[in-house]
Amino acid sequence: QVQLQESGPGLVKPSQTLSLTCTVSGGSISSGGYYWSWIRQHPGKGLEWIGYIYYSGSTYYNPSLKSRVTISVDTSKNQFSLKLSSVTAADTAVYYCARSPIAAAGTGFDYWGQGTLVTVSS
Amino acid sequence: SSELTQDPAVSVALGQTVRITCQGDSLRSYYASWYQQKPGQAPVLVIYGKNNRPSGIPDRFSGSSSGNTASLTITGAQAEDEADYYCNSRDSSGNHLIFGGGTKLTVL
Repeated sequence: QVQLQESGPGLVKPSQTLSLTCTVSGGSISSGGYYWSWIRQHPGKGLEWIGYIYYSGSTYYNPSLKSRVTISVDTSKNQFSLKLSSVTAADTAVYYCARSPIAAAGTGFDYWGQGTLVTVSS
Repeated sequence: SSELTQDPAVSVALGQTVRITCQGDSLRSYYASWYQQKPGQAPVLVIYGKNNRPSGIPDRFSGSSSGNTASLTITGAQAEDEADYYCNSRDSSGNHLIFGGGTKLTVL
């Protein structure tokens, strides 16, 4: 059974960089066949895709966040990470990591982490 | 367009059928996936691809698509189906993912 677990600071000061890590168990990132995503949800709001990474390091980012986002992967630790720079209160959200199989015929996020609330405040 | 539009709220009587829709130009080219989210929980995938259900998802959930509209149908809605539902697909470029704004389903 694949499991994803987010970890990182729950409180970040404005203008600083938010850093989160997703640890994957029950499956290997380096086996390929999946995109590994970060998704966030502002309090009481909908879901927002931040970006994803392939095990090779290829990335795609939400155009609205691209200038501030970096997603990286560490296959030796079976982890992938999110860095979001120059945060403001508008970045306060629950952050999820999730997996989506690569499939020509349509796919979806089949495994999610439990989510971690990150608050941006001084 | 790089947006997916959902009705904010829908209600259904217990045991009846409800359709939740998702509209967007990119749906002419890409399938939608659908997620159920209950308060305080992570979303759960309920439909993906043409009309596929992950293991453990009841067969009362089904998906369809026509033109620029994808639909999630719950046939015989149960009290436990009360939740927020989100659609997800690719944008017109195909390289980025987008979510609909979500539909709050109330089971009466």
